[in-house]
Amino acid sequence: DAGVTQSPTHLIKTRGQQVTLRCSPKSGHDTVSWYQQALGQGPQFIFQYYEEEERQRGNFPDRFSGHQFPNYSSELNVNALWLGDSALYLCASTPGGGSVRRNEQFFGPGTRLTVL
Amino acid sequence: AQKITQTQPGMFVQEKEAVTLDCTYDTSDPSYGLFWYKQPSSGEMIFLIYQGSYDQQNATEGRYSLNFQKARKSANLVISASQLGDSAMYFCAMREGLGNQFYFGTGTSLTVIP
Repeated sequence: DAGVTQSPTHLIKTRGQQVTLRCSPKSGHDTVSWYQQALGQGPQFIFQYYEEEERQRGNFPDRFSGHQFPNYSSELNVNALWLGDSALYLCASTPGGGSVRRNEQFFGPGTRLTVL
Repeated sequence: AQKITQTQPGMFVQEKEAVTLDCTYDTSDPSYGLFWYKQPSSGEMIFLIYQGSYDQQNATEGRYSLNFQKARKSANLVISASQLGDSAMYFCAMREGLGNQFYFGTGTSLTVIP
């Protein structure tokens, strides 16, 4: 049973560029959330996708956008990168549309983005 | 106000001893869930334990137990019989109601000393 997978593992970009990160949820999970974890901080919620739509969004600018595909996999896009976007980007999946009360999120290994 | 507060940036514990990692939370929602995650240096967040706000008993999962004090709004993680492999960052998190967002604390770095 494959867990949550993310690609790429590491990425280096320069300011102003655009980046796309990818996530495949755990088998049987239909809800995907994205988090940004800056160095020395806890993860910060970016947004969540369910049924191919953004269901909730954290306090992140419109430069951060996403997509969910019919197979529940998801992409995170960040435009106009700046130095502060350097972080570990974590994808997490949950089953049942996130409606189960206990509902722990299963996390992927993350993509470490460095913006120079 | 911070939803989750972890006041211990770093903790040390002797191998085979028990250790308590502190977590306090802030919410006005009567229904919420509290979670602890472990994050090794590899980066992946590993789920450890869950406590629901209406659960009558403190949660336990193997060597992990959660000391849930609702009136104090605290949800401390207790790790018994520490092992070298327990060295990692530990994050407390909360989900309000059936909300979609998990709120995380800033984490506690635990080092187990042989």
